[in-house]
Amino acid sequence: DVVLTQSPATLSVTPGERISLSCRASESVDTYLHWYQQKPNESPRLLIKYASQSISGIPSRFSGSGSGTDFTLSINGVELEDLSIYYCQQGNSLPYTFGAGTKLELK
Amino acid sequence: EVQLVESGGGLVQPGRSLKLSCAASGFTFSNYYMAWVRQAPKKGLEWVATISTSGSRTYYPDSVKGRFTISRDNAKSSLYLQMNSLKSEDTATYYCARHREWYFDFWGPGTMVTVSS
Repeated sequence: DVVLTQSPATLSVTPGERISLSCRASESVDTYLHWYQQKPNESPRLLIKYASQSISGIPSRFSGSGSGTDFTLSINGVELEDLSIYYCQQGNSLPYTFGAGTKLELK
Repeated sequence: EVQLVESGGGLVQPGRSLKLSCAASGFTFSNYYMAWVRQAPKKGLEWVATISTSGSRTYYPDSVKGRFTISRDNAKSSLYLQMNSLKSEDTATYYCARHREWYFDFWGPGTMVTVSS
């Protein structure tokens, strides 16, 4: 199974700053890497597909990059509503797997 | 507007069975693969099952293979998950999700399943 390692586990942020979250795969997943946001007591929401493709309705401050084994989710100008847990997921091979998540908290 | 609403969760004893349902609306259900994804309390996400548009193909991880069965009724725009031989480690919120190619683009609010004696 492909293991996705997300770092850091927790990130303390200040509104307005630019941040980057990492997702590293145990083997190449090409660009079959997707990002989700989960706010407290809500279901996950798709943020980015295929490593860097934007999703309709998602603010433009969210962007993704990477291919192979190293991926990054960036938020350009964090807002309070972005305080959530972010998960990466690979769709390159079965079983589909998720990372353990990165939690954004207020500094 | 895409809507997915799960039902059927609850408290069940270890070794017993439970069937979850998901009612879909706002899109042509029969055109999409569908999936179940679960989340144990305070834990991360785990893919549980996927079914093809016609229902002829199903996919599971080893953790549930042989115990869980995903099915669908396209006439009713409904998705199901039959869970047998339940274990305590199956305790989780179960989400119904629309499965596009290799990602999940819409999720329901989830239904909680607790396996305990």
